Amino acid sequence: QVQLVQSGAEVKKPGSSVKVSCKTSGGTFSTYAISWVRQAPGQGLEWMGGILPVFVTPKYAQKFQGRVTITADESTSTSYMEVTSLRSEDTAVYYCARGHDFWSALDNWGQGTQVTVSS
Amino acid sequence: QSVLTQPPSVSGAPGQTVTISCTGSSSNIGAGSDVHWYQQLPETAPKNLIYGNSNRPSGVPDRFSGSKSGTSASLAITGLQAEDEADYYCQSYDSSLGVVFGGGTKLTVL
Repeated sequence: QVQLVQSGAEVKKPGSSVKVSCKTSGGTFSTYAISWVRQAPGQGLEWMGGILPVFVTPKYAQKFQGRVTITADESTSTSYMEVTSLRSEDTAVYYCARGHDFWSALDNWGQGTQVTVSS
Repeated sequence: QSVLTQPPSVSGAPGQTVTISCTGSSSNIGAGSDVHWYQQLPETAPKNLIYGNSNRPSGVPDRFSGSKSGTSASLAITGLQAEDEADYYCQSYDSSLGVVFGGGTKLTVL
């Protein structure tokens, strides 16, 4: 049974960075796409980008290009998502989710990581 | 403003049928991209409900069904139950934007 386990909640100051991890267990890591999706309070789901580890090169939503970095470590089956220059609008729950590729359904989700940006 | 358009809310009485629409464009649903649906209960991660337009993952009741036509898709829930009260999201792939979601629909069971 595939499980995605994310790192814990973070509280950050505006202008700082945050890095969230997502470890996959119980299934193949390299040949599945990991997407990162965020949900601001009371809002909908927003795709930030993702990575298919075997291809290394990540994809990003235009809105996050340049401020978000997504990586994958095949040795530990872990994906990372870093957001820089944090602002209050980045306060959200950040999810990682797995699909066969970027146009497939996201059939396994992490538990979510709350990131709060506050001075 | 989401790339895929969903009604903000729908409601129905127990036992009734409700449908949730998801309207896209020629660069996503209309281009042949599959539509997937998710159910999100309060304070929990989304759960895949329908994949590939009309397929149900193991464990999802057959009260949930999906369809797609042209640039739109729909999720139907028959025999509405109190536990179906949740937020529902559609998702597809856009040739320019990547993965795209609908804005979400809040289902209220009256």
